[in-house]
Amino acid sequence: DAKTTQPTSMDCAEGRAANLPCNHSTISGNEYVYWYRQIHSQGPQYIIHGLKNNETNEMASLIITEDRKSSTLILPHATLRDTAVYYCIVRSYNQGGKLIFGQGTELSVKP
Amino acid sequence: NAGVTQTPKFQVLKTGQSMTLQCAQDMNHNSMYWYRQDPGMGLRLIYYSASEGTTDKGEVPNGYNVSRLNKREFSLRLESAAPSQTSVYFCASWAMEDTGELFFGEGSRLTVL
Repeated sequence: DAKTTQPTSMDCAEGRAANLPCNHSTISGNEYVYWYRQIHSQGPQYIIHGLKNNETNEMASLIITEDRKSSTLILPHATLRDTAVYYCIVRSYNQGGKLIFGQGTELSVKP
Repeated sequence: NAGVTQTPKFQVLKTGQSMTLQCAQDMNHNSMYWYRQDPGMGLRLIYYSASEGTTDKGEVPNGYNVSRLNKREFSLRLESAAPSQTSVYFCASWAMEDTGELFFGEGSRLTVL
């Protein structure tokens, strides 16, 4: 599975959009981009995933560049409850192989 | 559905003792994973099982053994616990045929004195 690179930490003002970048320059054609977040010491929570097209759900939007070498997770109106560590991972959709998380980005939403 | 269930939730061991962390999922998932998370660190993959009857090493397998007992259960064993294995352990499962969402258990906090 391809490795990902994320900034260690980011701040965001409450009510503003939080844009979390992820680089995955070695991603292969059959690998999806997944985003998870972890609040405190709870188990990570699924947010969104995508292959080529931009995706949106009730939690967030995922923007994937045309060359698929990077992506951005967007939380449109960040709240204090969005303070968490956000993980970007890439993997093949139908293969049960290694799933490496990396260090993630610690997002702090401030009032 | 209970999802992914881990036991025990808390455990204190002395150096050299052995124990097994149990994980069970009721979602008929093929793939299961064991991760550890040290304070202030990200998740590191210990072992995984792509399907029933198969297991493979992850990033940090030393000091651990696993068993995929059946499709539901994936256990992690520490044969001789060391203080360096003090951590929070997470089990996860994934259905390849589904959306690809990874489901996590609540975690097991292990302290080795």
